[in-house]
Amino acid sequence: GAGVSQSPRYKVAKRGQDVALRCDPISGHVSLFWYQQALGQGPEFLTYFQNEAQLDKSGLPSDRFFAERPEGSVSTLKIQRTQQEDSAVYLCASSHVRSDLLSSNTEAFFGQGTRLTVV
Amino acid sequence: KNQVEQSPQSLIILEGKNCTLQCNYTVSPFSNLRWYKQDTGRGPVSLTIMTFSENTKSNGRYTATLDADTKQSSLHITASQLSDSASYICVVSTITGNQFYFGTGTSLTVIP
Repeated sequence: GAGVSQSPRYKVAKRGQDVALRCDPISGHVSLFWYQQALGQGPEFLTYFQNEAQLDKSGLPSDRFFAERPEGSVSTLKIQRTQQEDSAVYLCASSHVRSDLLSSNTEAFFGQGTRLTVV
Repeated sequence: KNQVEQSPQSLIILEGKNCTLQCNYTVSPFSNLRWYKQDTGRGPVSLTIMTFSENTKSNGRYTATLDADTKQSSLHITASQLSDSASYICVVSTITGNQFYFGTGTSLTVIP
């Protein structure tokens, strides 16, 4: 596709349920980021991939959060034993260069996000 | 601590009027600063990107300024339109980091 695609767009999970959120970055993009955006807040960094390598996972809030990008393209963010505080919009972004080479001309494209509601 | 602060938190203006949004940051070492527009229920869309050597950059009715010495940026919207109603987010990147630092955004509402 032409842009970053995330699915599902909306997810309602019962507390304690496991969920998996998918991100299809723009084809060929090296860098992939996951962000968590609580209602009325700016996005908070979760994790970063350069191709298939997860180079930074410092933003993952707990060991219930796990992300992977096994083939360096599609990424999945998995949340185990969901809790109400996990309710947020999860945004994925991709860029065609490595993050350490990001320049003023380099764009990072965001998907529309997945809105997760834990009840 | 790397932080990005924006003001005002929300703003209501009449259609056709101008407005200016502010961003202050403490992110270091600084690489670039971006302004994003985020419509409700959508992902952020980039408006401008500036490095430390750029003082101003325009994109249509949007003009961003950057003062890397004082670590301040502004986004000026000229002749506002109803479609400008959205959240405007300031995002700062570091040279060495793998992440963007987001402000909490300014919610702009343009009324007829």
